[in-house]
Amino acid sequence: NAGVTQTPKFRVLKTGQSMTLLCAQDMNHEYMYWYRQDPGMGLRLIHYSVGEGTTAKGEVPDGYNVSRLKKQNFLLGLESAAPSQTSVYFCASINTIGTNYGYTFGSGTRLTVV
Amino acid sequence: GNSVTQMEGPVTLSEEAFLTINCTYTATGYPSLFWYVQYPGEGLQLLLKATKADDKGSNKGFEATYRKETTSFHLEKGSVQVSDSAVYFCALSGDQAGTALIFGKGTTLSVSS
Repeated sequence: NAGVTQTPKFRVLKTGQSMTLLCAQDMNHEYMYWYRQDPGMGLRLIHYSVGEGTTAKGEVPDGYNVSRLKKQNFLLGLESAAPSQTSVYFCASINTIGTNYGYTFGSGTRLTVV
Repeated sequence: GNSVTQMEGPVTLSEEAFLTINCTYTATGYPSLFWYVQYPGEGLQLLLKATKADDKGSNKGFEATYRKETTSFHLEKGSVQVSDSAVYFCALSGDQAGTALIFGKGTTLSVSS
C-alpha cells in the first residue's frame, strides 16, 4: 500500500547510544518532515526537507541530525541519545500538486531512552 | 510566527452529546487549516481540512468552518459516539506550498456510554 513507512516501531536505547530512524514514502512527494510528540505538547517539528539533498531545522532540532540522500527516504539520527529524547516520533510527507493537497503521516516510532 | 491554540482537555461527554473543541490561530497570509485525530496507540489521521476562508470541512459527522474574521476553526459534532474517543489536534500550514504543519497541543476526548 502506498504511504509513509517508519522503522522501527519501537526501540529502547541506553543513554549515549546512537540510532537512526528511517522514514520511507512511495508517493514521490518532495517535502518530508520529522516531528516528535510529547504529552501536553502536541507535535513539534524537528527537521524537514524540501527535496532530495536538502534539509533544514525545525522548532526543536538540537540533538538530532537528518539526511535525504534519496527522494523517498528521510533519515533521523540521534548521535548520543538522552532521556529527554524519549518520545514518539512521526514522519510525514506532503503532496503539493493538484487538488489532493494533504499531509500523510507514518504510524510512529516509540523511543525510550533509559 | 504562526501558532495554534486549542482548548485544553480532557473533554468528557456522554454518548449522543454535542461536541465543540475550540481552535484559534495566528498566521500571516492565508493558511490552510486541519483537524487530525489520533486514536489510542495509533498515528495521526486527517479528519478534515479547509483551505480558504468560509470553507467548511466535514467528515464522519464532524464539521469545522474556517473563520478568518475570528481566526478560528472550531470542531463540532452533533452526536458523539464512544468510538470518537481520541486525541484531536488542530493544525495549520502556511500559504506557501509545502510548509510544515504547526500543531496545537491536542485535546483528549473521552465519550462514555
